[in-house]
Amino acid sequence: DIQMTQSPSSLSASVGDRVTITCRASQDIYTYLVWFQQKPGKAPKSLIYGASSLQGGVPSRFSGSGSGTDFTLTISSLQPEDFATYFCLQYNTYPITFGQGTRLETK
Amino acid sequence: QVQLEESGGGVVQPGMSLRLSCAASGFTFISSGMHWVRQAPGKGLEWVAVISYDGSDTHYADSVKGRFTISRDKSKSTLYLQMNDLGSEDTAVYYCAKDNHGSGSGGIGDWGQGTLVTVSS
Repeated sequence: DIQMTQSPSSLSASVGDRVTITCRASQDIYTYLVWFQQKPGKAPKSLIYGASSLQGGVPSRFSGSGSGTDFTLTISSLQPEDFATYFCLQYNTYPITFGQGTRLETK
Repeated sequence: QVQLEESGGGVVQPGMSLRLSCAASGFTFISSGMHWVRQAPGKGLEWVAVISYDGSDTHYADSVKGRFTISRDKSKSTLYLQMNDLGSEDTAVYYCAKDNHGSGSGGIGDWGQGTLVTVSS
């Protein structure tokens, strides 16, 4: 199975900050990567697919980049509603596998 | 607006069976691949299974292969997960999810709210 490793595991930031989260795959997954957000007790919400394509309705402050094994999610200017946990998943190969998550907390 | 509403969760004894349902609306169900993903309490997410738009292709996680069956009913726009021989390791919130592609290989685009399955004696 492809292992997905996210960093950092947690991050403290303030409203207005630029935030970057990284996801590394254990083998080449081309651009078959999704980023999604999850708030406590809520359903996940997909943000980015194909490593860099914005899911419909997602604010443009979210962006994704990368290919192969190294990927980043960037939030250009953090908003209060963005404090949540962020995950990546790869869909290049079954089984689909997930990163362990990055908890974004208010500083 | 995509809506995915899971149902069928509950408390079940080890070794028993349960069937989850996911009622889909707001998109063309017959054109979309669909997934089940689960999250054990306080744990990360685990992909469970995928089915293509027409039901002809399915894939499963090794942890559920041979015990779980994913299926769909186009007349009811409903996705199912039949779960047999349940164990404590299957305790989790189960999410229904829509793929961005009909094959089921386009990445997960939309998620349901989830339904809790608790396996306990």
